[in-house]
Amino acid sequence: GNSVTQMEGPVTLSEEAFLTINCTYTATGYPSLFWYVQYPGEGLQLLLKATKADDKGSNKGFEATYRKETTSFHLEKGSVQVSDSAVYFCALSDRNAGNMLTFGGGTRLMVKP
Amino acid sequence: NAGVTQTPKFQVLKTGQSMTLQCAQDMNHEYMSWYRQDPGMGLRLIHYSVGAGITDQGEVPNGYNVSRSTTEDFPLRLLSAAPSQTSVYFCASSYVPAGVHNEQFFGPGTRLTVL
Repeated sequence: GNSVTQMEGPVTLSEEAFLTINCTYTATGYPSLFWYVQYPGEGLQLLLKATKADDKGSNKGFEATYRKETTSFHLEKGSVQVSDSAVYFCALSDRNAGNMLTFGGGTRLMVKP
Repeated sequence: NAGVTQTPKFQVLKTGQSMTLQCAQDMNHEYMSWYRQDPGMGLRLIHYSVGAGITDQGEVPNGYNVSRSTTEDFPLRLLSAAPSQTSVYFCASSYVPAGVHNEQFFGPGTRLTVL
């Protein structure tokens, strides 16, 4: 079956530090990959996505590249802000599985001023 | 557009009670789903529907029922609540057939506590 593995948190960084959150996946088909973000007390919002190998998704200074050879989709940001403090979820959607989303366990990011 | 709406936001039940979590969307999406979120486990799929009149089980369906009589609504029923069902529940919708453009839109969640 499909699965997504994320680095465990919490990740604590100082403002303007570089962020990497690792994500690897296993899938039976050819999935689309997503990063969702959950701010405190809110639902999930799509942060970025990539639908084929070597695609780079980007939004709000965050980037992730779909690496089929390493089955990875690591999230990066060059300079984090306090407002980036949230829980980040890596997910995949497999057309062979009815487009159902499979989520990783989530990584909590805390950014200190 | 209101997007995906869920009611109630918070609910406390006693073991054995039943209730229905409501979910509605106004985006004319065919695909709707229910997830539960537990600490350290991400979101797990409970049930989903690819259109009115069609539902199917996800990863953790036991103890939950769903129905889809209209495109807009997808209620989740707990027939006899158990403490193990204490969780945050999210409803989501997306356009199908999608293939490439299969972003899911999430509601704000319902926090359920079963005593």
